[in-house]
Amino acid sequence: QVQLVESGGGVAQPGRSLRLSCAASGFTFSGFGMHWVRQAPGKGMEWLAVIWYDGRNKEYADSVEGRFTISRDNSKNTLYLQMNSLRAEDTAVYHCAREAPAHYVSSGVIDYWGQGTLVTVSS
Amino acid sequence: DIQMTQSPSTLSASVGDRVTITCRASQSISSWLAWYQQKPGKAPKLLIYKASSLASGVPSRFSGIGSGTDFTLTISSLQPDDFATYFCQQYHRYWRTFGQGTKVEIK
Repeated sequence: QVQLVESGGGVAQPGRSLRLSCAASGFTFSGFGMHWVRQAPGKGMEWLAVIWYDGRNKEYADSVEGRFTISRDNSKNTLYLQMNSLRAEDTAVYHCAREAPAHYVSSGVIDYWGQGTLVTVSS
Repeated sequence: DIQMTQSPSTLSASVGDRVTITCRASQSISSWLAWYQQKPGKAPKLLIYKASSLASGVPSRFSGIGSGTDFTLTISSLQPDDFATYFCQQYHRYWRTFGQGTKVEIK
């Protein structure tokens, strides 16, 4: 079955960096676009970034553009989120998520999510 | 950005009740809307895609309707396992936006 397991969360000081990982299994990782989405305490979900199946194209939310970088290693079935210049408002649970590909009837929808990893930015 | 306004934020209901949650987009998103269920500490689960299509394995008591800007998720007969938070998401654009969520509580 499809599994997405995030890791790398923790406590970081403002201005520091963290790298999150998302280990994928149960599907052909290299065939799917992947997203990062976060949920701050008491808030709704916020989309952060998407990377195409082959890693050639990436898009970011304005709130993280220039600070966060999404990447993937298809040989390791792993998605990454490099987070630099962290701010208190980046405190959230970070989820990775899979996008259904074009040949699926559910094309374009985020169909599987990981449980998330908590990032706390505090001095 | 496309804003998604979801209501109500909290809903108290009993087992067997019919429950309706609405989501409104700030501009037309055609039928590019999904509904998810999330329980505390768990990964969100896809319920409905393309506004009205039931995801694989989802019970038929869940249904969705709508197009353009106005959408509805209905649970026809609430079951104990359905007490959770539900949220909508548009995927009209690659940058996804979400409703704030509706927590369905036991009355």
